[in-house]
Amino acid sequence: AQTIHQWPVAEIKAVGSPLSLGCTIKGKSSPNLYWYWQATGGTLQQLFYSITVGQVESVVQLNLSASRPKDDQFILSTEKLLLSHSGFYLCAWSPDWSNQDTQYFGPGTRLLVL
Amino acid sequence: GDSVTQTEGLVTVTEGLPVKLNCTYQTTYLTIAFFWYVQYLNEAPQVLLKSSTDNKRTEHQGFHATLHKSSSSFHLQKSSAQLSDSALYYCALSDRTGNYKYVFGAGTRLKVIA
Repeated sequence: AQTIHQWPVAEIKAVGSPLSLGCTIKGKSSPNLYWYWQATGGTLQQLFYSITVGQVESVVQLNLSASRPKDDQFILSTEKLLLSHSGFYLCAWSPDWSNQDTQYFGPGTRLLVL
Repeated sequence: GDSVTQTEGLVTVTEGLPVKLNCTYQTTYLTIAFFWYVQYLNEAPQVLLKSSTDNKRTEHQGFHATLHKSSSSFHLQKSSAQLSDSALYYCALSDRTGNYKYVFGAGTRLKVIA
């Protein structure tokens, strides 16, 4: 069975400080990976996706960046946090063929920027 | 641009009565799939239903939905709401033409009362 792990579970950070959030998928080779952001009370906004190691595509610009250093790892980061970065960050995966596009979400990371 | 519209922010229904959550969409994607995700309090979203076939009813866990391309809709229904159904429900679409993009609606909170 596939498992998806996100770290940290929660963070409280200062405006202007750096951030790194991680996501690891176990039990699935070559998954498609995604980052989402959910503001408190808001919808899910897709930020990035990656279909292979080393390649990441941006969907919306929020002064964030993403990388995929390994097949099973997806990293979300920024060098300078903004207040607007607060929210719930979710990593998701889907199988690597086009008609199996159900996304499976990780437990998420709650971020509060002060 | 592509969008998913969920007109109700909150739906309150009495236990045992039927419930319907509305979802309509606009898209330029030629090949698409539709999803209903459910998110319980402080948890990650999980897939409830999926469909890509016009006019075919899809069922899971007592919920059902039918994709109607003629009316651009994918409404979620249940004949008898349960207290445990209280959660946030998202309608979403994915583009199957290879750009790995997903669009989520704003979400509808379902509150089932005794």
